[in-house]
Order: sequence, then C-alpha cells, then structure tokens
Amino acid sequence: LAKTTQPISMDSYEGQEVNITCSHNNIATNDYITWYQQFPSQGPRFIIQGYKTKVTNEVASLFIPADRKSSTLSLPRVSLSDTAVYYCLVGPWVTNAGNMLTFGGGTRLMVKP
Amino acid sequence: DAGVTQSPTHLIKTRGQQVTLRCSPKSGHDTVSWYQQALGQGPQFIFQYYEEEERQRGNFPDRFSGHQFPNYSSELNVNALLLGDSALYLCASRRDRESTDTQYFGPGTRLTVL
Repeated sequence: LAKTTQPISMDSYEGQEVNITCSHNNIATNDYITWYQQFPSQGPRFIIQGYKTKVTNEVASLFIPADRKSSTLSLPRVSLSDTAVYYCLVGPWVTNAGNMLTFGGGTRLMVKP
Repeated sequence: DAGVTQSPTHLIKTRGQQVTLRCSPKSGHDTVSWYQQALGQGPQFIFQYYEEEERQRGNFPDRFSGHQFPNYSSELNVNALLLGDSALYLCASRRDRESTDTQYFGPGTRLTVL
C-alpha cells in the first residue's frame, strides 16, 4: 500500500479556505485517494474520494495533479466545527477481499475564531 | 436508519483481564472491520469479518480475536490485557465489494487498562 505524508498540524481562522496537501509518491495505478475527517472520541467520517483531476462535493474539493503523486484537500470557508483530524488514505477502490483502510497520523486542523 | 453502533462506550479493565466489545453494523451492511486507535495516532486495522469468518487480519497478536454472528453483528475479544491495549476501538461496516467510500465507522469504545 502506498505510504502517505501529510503535515502534522495546521491552524486557520474562521472563514478562511484551508488546503491540506498529502504526498503519496508510490501511488499505484489502481489506487484511489480518500480523505476522512475525525472529531475527538468519534469514528472517522468519509469526506471525499478521487482518482485524478478535481472532485467536488458539498463538503470539500479534492485536487489531484496529473502525476497523482500528491493531492490537496480544500475546505472552503472553515468554521470552528471543522476543527478535527484529517486523514489522507491511498488504496484500491474495491479489492477482492478486505478493503482494509491504512491510516497515517493525519493532520490536526485547529480553526480559531 | 441507525448507523454503526458500539457498546460499551467506555470500559476500564486491569492487566491480565479479558474484554469483549460489541458492534452492530449499519443496516444493509454485511462486512465488519475492527480498528485500534491509540491516543494521538491514526486507526490501525485489526481484522475484518465477512460471512461469519475472519477474512483479513492486520498485525495484531492472537490475543485479539473476533466473531461475527448471522445478523452481521460482531464482537472483538482481547485476552490477557496489557497496558498498551488502552485505546479507542472502532468498528466499521460496509457492503461487501463496495468501494471504500461506503465504509461507515461507529463512535468507538474507549478501553482503559490499568
């Protein structure tokens, strides 16, 4: 499984756009990039998933360059409630069995008033 | 529609004891995975159950075992508890062979080993 590297922590202020970049130099051809969000004492929650170019949903955007060796999660106009840990995961969309998720250390985002 | 539920929410045990944690998957889901999350770290995969059998296992000792029942609910058992087993234990469920974005996590069980 491709290893991911992301910043340990980030600070932002309410109303700002936050971009969290994840490096995955050894991403495989059939790997997708998935981001999860986790609040304290809760399980991770799926945010967004993509394979290439740009994906946008009601929560975030995911930018993936052509070489796919990195990706950027973009959170528009963050609020205090976006304070959480964000995990970048890389792996197959569907496997023959399992779909084990491999989490790294994540990025702790602190949104300040 | 209830999501993934876990019980108990908190548990305190002493070294050497045994513990059983329980998970009910989201309605319509047949695959259950267990993860261990130590404080300040990302979740680590323990094992996954499908059709009442362990299908995949992470790098955890045999002290960690599980079970899946016909109604798809699952139990995680940990024997001979160590201080290092203190963690948040997460259960995740999904439908078999669906993509990773369909995996839902429960709120977890906080286990403290004294």
